[in-house]
Amino acid sequence: EVQLVESGGGLTQPGRSLKLSCTTSGFTFGDYSLTWLRQAPGKGLEWVAFIRGKPSYGTTEYAASVKGRFTISRDDSKSITYLQMNSLKTEDTALYYCNYWQGEQYFHLWGQGTQVTVSS
Amino acid sequence: DIQMTQSPSTLSASVGDRVTITCRASQNIIVHLAWYQQKPGKAPNLLIYRASTLESGVPSRFSGSGSGTEFTLTIASLQPDDFATYYCQQYYIYATFGQGTRVEI
Repeated sequence: EVQLVESGGGLTQPGRSLKLSCTTSGFTFGDYSLTWLRQAPGKGLEWVAFIRGKPSYGTTEYAASVKGRFTISRDDSKSITYLQMNSLKTEDTALYYCNYWQGEQYFHLWGQGTQVTVSS
Repeated sequence: DIQMTQSPSTLSASVGDRVTITCRASQNIIVHLAWYQQKPGKAPNLLIYRASTLESGVPSRFSGSGSGTEFTLTIASLQPDDFATYYCQQYYIYATFGQGTRVEI
């Protein structure tokens, strides 16, 4: 059974940093690309970043709204993906989800997300 | 960037109604489109991918169609469990979601 468990969220101030983790199980981690998405309160879904699996292993892409501030990474030995978020803004407040995919970036299964709140 | 526009934003319907939601892409995305259902306080649930392929376990009253820039999600006979918000998502270039369509009683 595939599981995605996001963690690391919390309340922080503008300009600070936070690192999210997504612990996965139930699939061959290295074969898949990983994506972070978010949903601001009462708003729609937004793709944030992804990191590719085989064959373009480790290459990354970012949404314009987070490029230069967020960094996605992966640890295949632990089946975990991370999202390092720096220079946080109030508009980064959202529920953050991780997901996995292979070939086509749509998402069969979602975790429960981790809440990030940026407020002074 | 590819923009996705859903219509309507809100749809009022009754149990048993046939419901259609439209999603338009700002450029040709072939059939690289998915539909999700989301209920309050819950994560999204995949309904359809590749524009018309029903996800395993999703009731057959849901169907998707379209290609290029215009796509539709149809619920053949609305059930009480279907009152929710629906999102389209393109995955031709990275990923972009529509703004959502809320289906209410």
